[in-house]
Amino acid sequence: DTGVSQDPRHKITKRGQNVTFRCDPISEHNRLYWYRQTLGQGPEFLTYFQNEAQLEKSRLLSDRFSAERPKGSFSTLEIQRTEQGDSAMYLCASSPTGFHGYTFGSGTRLTVV
Amino acid sequence: SQQGEEDPQALSIQEGENATMNCSYKTSINNLQWYRQNSGRGLVHLILIRSNEREKHSGRLRVTLDTSKKSSSLLITASRAADTASYFCATAARITGANSKLTFGKGITLSVRP
Repeated sequence: DTGVSQDPRHKITKRGQNVTFRCDPISEHNRLYWYRQTLGQGPEFLTYFQNEAQLEKSRLLSDRFSAERPKGSFSTLEIQRTEQGDSAMYLCASSPTGFHGYTFGSGTRLTVV
Repeated sequence: SQQGEEDPQALSIQEGENATMNCSYKTSINNLQWYRQNSGRGLVHLILIRSNEREKHSGRLRVTLDTSKKSSSLLITASRAADTASYFCATAARITGANSKLTFGKGITLSVRP
């Protein structure tokens, strides 16, 4: 297993378009997290899953954002009707249960023009 | 909202010197973690300290935790140019447990001059 994979690495989209990002976690990890990071800031929590169950969503996650983890393996994050304020790095991480750190992917950089 | 506040915001040192970074937080925690991020990349987990621990070591890293002051420090000894990166502290709230979401600070930019 080579770690957490995110696809695509970069995405440029026009305002108003929908975008979808994919995250493949480490296969043994049952927890999966999505964060958003803007320049000069720390990652901000969006949502997380234990297996296929979405356990918590941030208030940052407006109704334009939806995340799924259908079979408890990979996850997708969709943003509908993108806005310029959605431009950011979207980070995915996974972890096993217990006292463990997260393993992060390299992120998807979204630019909304 | 961001729970942790790191101090200083930026640190520049000479190779071979020690680097000390501090983090303060607001609510009771289950554990505190430190991460490193190289420019434009994902974060890398460095070390985790539980709320009932006071000090941990990992290689050139030493982290301390003072729950009475709600603060932590990360010491990198004998720094190298490759340690140049941003460093973040992150906390897991006590109320939600070990694997709840982490709340990150804004980070410290460390520059190690060769």
